[in-house]
Amino acid sequence: AQSVTQLGSHVSVSEGALVLLRCNYSSSVPPYLFWYVQYPNQGLQLLLKYTTGATLVKGINGFEAEFKKSETSFHLTKPSAHMSDAAEYFCAVSSSNTGNQFYFGTGTSLTVIP
Amino acid sequence: GAGVSQSPSNKVTEKGKDVELRCDPISGHTALYWYRQRLGQGLEFLIYFQGNSAPDKSGLPSDRFSAERTGESVSTLTIQRTQQEDSAVYLCASSLEQYANEQFFGPGTRLTVL
Repeated sequence: AQSVTQLGSHVSVSEGALVLLRCNYSSSVPPYLFWYVQYPNQGLQLLLKYTTGATLVKGINGFEAEFKKSETSFHLTKPSAHMSDAAEYFCAVSSSNTGNQFYFGTGTSLTVIP
Repeated sequence: GAGVSQSPSNKVTEKGKDVELRCDPISGHTALYWYRQRLGQGLEFLIYFQGNSAPDKSGLPSDRFSAERTGESVSTLTIQRTQQEDSAVYLCASSLEQYANEQFFGPGTRLTVL
């Protein structure tokens, strides 16, 4: 079975500081990993995804994530936080043996302090 | 092309009434998903369709909830005898058939049960 754990339901960072949002997954087969962002009063949109190939994935708005198989992690980072990054972030996993089923984490709310 | 659309955007109903929520996926997307998002919480999987069939109904909270999809297109989520705990944003997403493909989310329907 697949599952996703996001450590820290709330994260606060100062503007300009490093953003690190944690995601760990469990999967018995190679996973496909996704980060979605939900800005206030908006729908979810894809930030980035890992399927195969390079383990460091770059997404929109300066975010990136690294797939680490040995740690079963897919943490999201951004070198310098901007006020506009304040949002809810969701990690999700799917795989070849889940059909089209996706499993989402419970989300991390990012607050950026000016 | 058009994204995923949902209607109505907001629905206020009285306890005990039935409601129908509609989702129009992106044309050509064979997979369709329904999620529930309670205030301040993560995504709760409800049901997913592959074409017109629903291989996974495990997330439906009770027998008051049902969903159907016709013509590999529009889907309706029906909640009978609504309860106050059904108040939430109901999100619909669609994707291409392959599990590595991202889900595209609609804006959601905010349901309030008085």
